Amino acid sequence: NAGVMQNPRHLVRRRGQEARLRCSPMKGHSHVYWYRQLPEEGLKFMVYLQKENIIDESGMPKERFSAEFPKEGPSILRIQQVVRGDSAAYFCASSPSGTSNNQPQHFGDGTRLSIL
Amino acid sequence: GESVGLHLPTLSVQEGDNSIINCAYSNSASDYFIWYKQESGKGPQFIIDIRSNMDKRQGQRVTVLLNKTVKHLSLQIAATQPGDSAVYFCAENPGYSSASKIIFGSGTRLSIRP
Repeated sequence: NAGVMQNPRHLVRRRGQEARLRCSPMKGHSHVYWYRQLPEEGLKFMVYLQKENIIDESGMPKERFSAEFPKEGPSILRIQQVVRGDSAAYFCASSPSGTSNNQPQHFGDGTRLSIL
Repeated sequence: GESVGLHLPTLSVQEGDNSIINCAYSNSASDYFIWYKQESGKGPQFIIDIRSNMDKRQGQRVTVLLNKTVKHLSLQIAATQPGDSAVYFCAENPGYSSASKIIFGSGTRLSIRP
């Protein structure tokens, strides 16, 4: 009964490169959420997706950041032309399909992104 | 609403004692609240949740209390153990179901004295 799987666990990029973070939700979950966490802070919502649809991207920076959740395969958070301020831990969470209000979001162990 | 903190508040508790972690929220329309535990290098782990139509809910060694009048939430951990050392976040889900974003508080670091 695998939980939310994220990879890579650690990612190092130089300024100007692209970063791709992957998330496979729990089995049976079709709702995926991405959050960003800076040291000593809480998680900040970025984007909420269902299969092939972006539902809420109110927390996404206007430029360089994009997310997708294709019909097949993991959800991808993509950061283009990374800058030092993008260094953070990025967490993915998933929840079951439907509108059940008894299921909390379950989180992966995150990807630590470091920008040189 | 969202809060940001540069330094996490810390609660130090003697092993075996009870711990009480407090949280204030700002959105009076939020109807679902969750406590998460985050250990170093890991993602948030669900502990317990509560709906706004309840004021108390108990789990294994944990109890969550909700006071909607003053918009206050607390997590009580009975007989605190070394494995309880972590950062604890309260979170609110402003939507009716879990299918919407979670707003995290700034967290409290719980440390256990032997």
